[in-house]
Amino acid sequence: DQQVKQNSPSLSVQEGRISILNCDYTNSMFDYFLWYKKYPAEGPTFLISISSIKDKNEDGRFTVFLNKSAKHLSLHIVPSQPGDSAVYFCAASASDDMRFGAGTRLTVKP
Amino acid sequence: EPEVTQTPSHQVTQMGQEVILRCVPISNHLYFYWYRQILGQKVEFLVSFYNNEISEKSEIFDDQFSVERPDGSNFTLKIRSTKLEDSAMYFCASSALLKEEKLFFGSGTQLSVL
Repeated sequence: DQQVKQNSPSLSVQEGRISILNCDYTNSMFDYFLWYKKYPAEGPTFLISISSIKDKNEDGRFTVFLNKSAKHLSLHIVPSQPGDSAVYFCAASASDDMRFGAGTRLTVKP
Repeated sequence: EPEVTQTPSHQVTQMGQEVILRCVPISNHLYFYWYRQILGQKVEFLVSFYNNEISEKSEIFDDQFSVERPDGSNFTLKIRSTKLEDSAMYFCASSALLKEEKLFFGSGTQLSVL
């Protein structure tokens, strides 16, 4: 099941710079997209979401962009902080389930 | 802040044994889910549950799996005859809305099948 793909398993950025995490999906029925953040030994926690009727949603340092024609979304974190170091999961929803990508491990270096 | 709680945090069992993983979703939530994450792999959807019945399930959720909401607060996942490949972190989640938008996850139960 590869409906949601995160092709970069890891990303390393310097503190204060921008982190860009990417996600692609194949199912055109998905109409809601979310990013979750996961620390070791904890469950995923919701970060930010976007409906398919929008192309951008911003919440503080976090912005999610959606390109429906390309079936692509991205999460921008500006400025990146060491506490942002975690695994980020992209998720997409169409009905009563939610599919997750494989995750990207973000490391923000001081 | 309300949270989803899961017990136990770790479960070790022998292959072929039955296990029950327990979850207490957030009290006013209506939709309940089980996900799992095998070490080093992606978070995988297992099942969603609403109005006392399964609303969606994945290909992973075969006849060995079942879910139940035995009372007004607990939501359980049962694996009847565990296999080695069932070893994973199992996450329970709940959401309030008619169509899920934001899930609240528990901290997971690490299941080890020996």
